[in-house]
Amino acid sequence: QQQVKQSPQSLIVQKGGISIINCAYENTAFDYFPWYQQFPGKGPALLIAIRPDVSEKKEGRFTISFNKSAKQFSLHIMDSQPGDSATYFCAANPSGSRLTFGEGTQLTVNP
Amino acid sequence: DGGITQSPKYLFRKEGQNVTLSCEQNLNHDAMYWYRQDPGQGLRLIYYSQIVNDFQKGDIAEGYSVSREKKESFPLTVTSAQKNPTAFYLCASSIFRKGASGNTIYFGEGSWLTVV
Repeated sequence: QQQVKQSPQSLIVQKGGISIINCAYENTAFDYFPWYQQFPGKGPALLIAIRPDVSEKKEGRFTISFNKSAKQFSLHIMDSQPGDSATYFCAANPSGSRLTFGEGTQLTVNP
Repeated sequence: DGGITQSPKYLFRKEGQNVTLSCEQNLNHDAMYWYRQDPGQGLRLIYYSQIVNDFQKGDIAEGYSVSREKKESFPLTVTSAQKNPTAFYLCASSIFRKGASGNTIYFGEGSWLTVV
């Protein structure tokens, strides 16, 4: 019930392409869905987050799409750049409880 | 600068030894966390604390211990009982609002522990 399943495990995209990472959850009590970005040897940092009362949130080239009925949410990176190469984690938590992280997706953007 | 400071960045441990990883934050956050990350793996919660002098086990607490004597400090001890301690350890903190979600977790830069 507390799991967040993330796919794919790794992703290779050409510069300028769209990167898409998907996450699915079971616990309907989850009400906060952040994405974290981690560069090698560094700690993760919050990238963008969404609540289930909206279906999409966009910040620059990064967009979260949220499908409440399917219990899925995804991260889209438009015009992907080599500097976007990193590991991305989705996460979720219900009110008053701790975050549950997905397994991570290693994104490589080729120049 | 405000943030989370972890030390040391790199640590080598001989088998059978206990080692302590330091974590200090000056963000005035109530909650602090320790995660373990193995190469190519996700983040697994070891321990967390929502208030001084109180902490709870996470998903992989066996072989680890913590203390929370001060709001800004949450050290992690990797004991000899932890059979496979080689990993990247991340400390984190957040505001804690009981019954609420959406509290951003901020991470430190991590500490690499290697058993030799």
